[in-house]
Formats: sequence, C-alpha cells, structure tokens
Amino acid sequence: SAVISQKPSRDICQRGTSLTIQCQVDSQVTMMFWYRQQPGQSLTLIATANQGSEATYESGFVIDKFPISRPNLTFSTLTVSNMSPEDSSIYLCSAPGGSTEAFFGQGTRLTVV
Amino acid sequence: EDQVTQSPEALRLQEGESSSLNCSYTVSGLRGLFWYRQDPGKGPEFLFTLYSAGEEKEKERLKATLTKKESFLHITAPKPEDSATYLCAVQASGGYNKLIFGAGTRLAVHP
Repeated sequence: SAVISQKPSRDICQRGTSLTIQCQVDSQVTMMFWYRQQPGQSLTLIATANQGSEATYESGFVIDKFPISRPNLTFSTLTVSNMSPEDSSIYLCSAPGGSTEAFFGQGTRLTVV
Repeated sequence: EDQVTQSPEALRLQEGESSSLNCSYTVSGLRGLFWYRQDPGKGPEFLFTLYSAGEEKEKERLKATLTKKESFLHITAPKPEDSATYLCAVQASGGYNKLIFGAGTRLAVHP
C-alpha cells in the first residue's frame, strides 16, 4: 500500500484567488492522480501527473485552471486558479500502491466564498 | 463509453440485517474492479480489487463478488461502524491506472 499525505486539509478562499494543494507519497511512484469530488457526488479524474512530463488532463479540465507540478517521484501539487464558488469541492490526490490498486490521500476540502 | 452505476443510492439497515450493494459496469476491457469505503470528510479507503468473473474476496463482514457485468458487495450482520459511503470503480485495459467511479451507495446501519 501507499501512504499519501495532503495539505491543507481544508481551506476557505476568496473568489479570484488561487490555492495550491500539496501531495506527498511515502514511496516513489511513476504516476500520481488528482480527483475532484463535488458536494454529494462521486470522484472525477482531473489529470494524471507524470514525473518529468506535462500532466495529462481529462475532458473538461484545462491546465490554465488546474496547473499541476510533479518535481519528483514522491511529490505533486495541484493549483486551483482564479477560484469561483463552483470550485468548492474536495480535491483528492491518488497514487498506485501495487499493480493496479490506487490509494488516496485524506483530501482537501475547499470552500470558495 | 466506460460507465459505472451503483444501486441503491442509499440504504438503511438495522444492525445485524444483511444486504447487498450493486455495481453495474460497462467498460472496454476490464483490468480491475475496485471497492472503496469513504467516511465523511475523508478520502476513500481501499477495500478490494477483483480482476475476473467468478472472483470473490472477503474482509470481516464484507464480501465482494464479480460477474461479467456487475459486482456485489455483500454485508453480513452489519454493525453501526459499517456506516459509510461505498464506492465502486473500474479500471479499463489500456487506461493505465485511471479509475472511473460510480456515484456510491450511502449505507446507514442503526442499532
């Protein structure tokens, strides 16, 4: 398994500002994943972050809004830019812990006011 | 299009009352089907991975089964601490480690 630490665990932000979420994995992994969970809904993949290359974004998500960094094999950041109330969600970092299993951090609960 | 549908949306059980949660899926080649438990305010906790039809896995009061079109999570004699949202997800062949999640089943077990 993989132990994944995210911070901050929660934040309240003003609209128009940006928030950077950090994700640390206790082992080296090739891929890390960022998901969004909107209130009362399930998880939707935002992007896949590979070390040493540009992140791959899913349909409906763009780099200008959700820039991602992956400086090494144990760390990644997701920035939520120019926030609006619609960005209020839980943001989750994920990494593989075996051949196919994926493990998740505790999430970052973001409220935009 | 790969898709996961979970039912029911919500389930209320009395302590000790066994039941099953359903996860139906359509995927272009199944690499794995996953069950997670999510408590309020927390990230999903991994429970099981199933890879092929006929496979079963157990953990305490939970048992997951898989067919070619659906998976069941059976809960035997549940306790209040089993209350949580249970998420089902699939991983398609060629989809690297990307997971496609269902909407989840909110389970409430009352004493």
